[in-house]
Amino acid sequence: GDSVTQMEGPVTLSEEAFLTINCTYTATGYPSLFWYVQYPGEGLQLLLKATKADDKGSNKGFEATYRKETTSFHLEKGSVQVSDSAVYFCALRDSWGKLQFGAGTQVVVTP
Amino acid sequence: EPEVTQTPSHQVTQMGQEVILRCVPISNHLYFYWYRQILGQKVEFLVSFYNNEISEKSEIFDDQFSVERPDGSNFTLKIRSTKLEDSAMYFCASSQIQGSGNTIYFGEGSWLTVV
Repeated sequence: GDSVTQMEGPVTLSEEAFLTINCTYTATGYPSLFWYVQYPGEGLQLLLKATKADDKGSNKGFEATYRKETTSFHLEKGSVQVSDSAVYFCALRDSWGKLQFGAGTQVVVTP
Repeated sequence: EPEVTQTPSHQVTQMGQEVILRCVPISNHLYFYWYRQILGQKVEFLVSFYNNEISEKSEIFDDQFSVERPDGSNFTLKIRSTKLEDSAMYFCASSQIQGSGNTIYFGEGSWLTVV
């Protein structure tokens, strides 16, 4: 079945550092790919998405490119802030509509 | 911005008791979902609901679970006889249409603790 694998955390960074969170997927069809973020004490919020190969999703300085050849959707941000501290979830949505999530990666940004 | 709202935010219940978690999806959305996240584990799909019936459910969603849309706005998850292992954060979600590219919007979650 479809699945998502993302790097384990926690990832601890200093403010203004470069962030990468690796995400790879296995899918039989042509899924859409998503990154959701969960800030402390809050629910899941959509961060960005890409619906087909080579699409790049971007939001709040974060980017991820849908790479079909490597089945990847790595999340990057060039300069993180303390407010980016959260848990980040990679997910795919199959044609039947449900989301499959990765395990989540906790990011801790220190001043 | 429209949002999915869930109540209660936190509930503690005794094992064997019935629990109802409530959700108000975004008003023009047609597809509704429940997911759960056991502490320290991944977010897992439970059930999807469309046109007043279940469209898909996972192995987790056994006979102890049921969902209902009792009126035009609420969407509920009932756990008939709670077990310790039902302790988790339960997320309600909704989307406008089903296609893979459409975004699913989540509520803030209901944290259920079974003691």
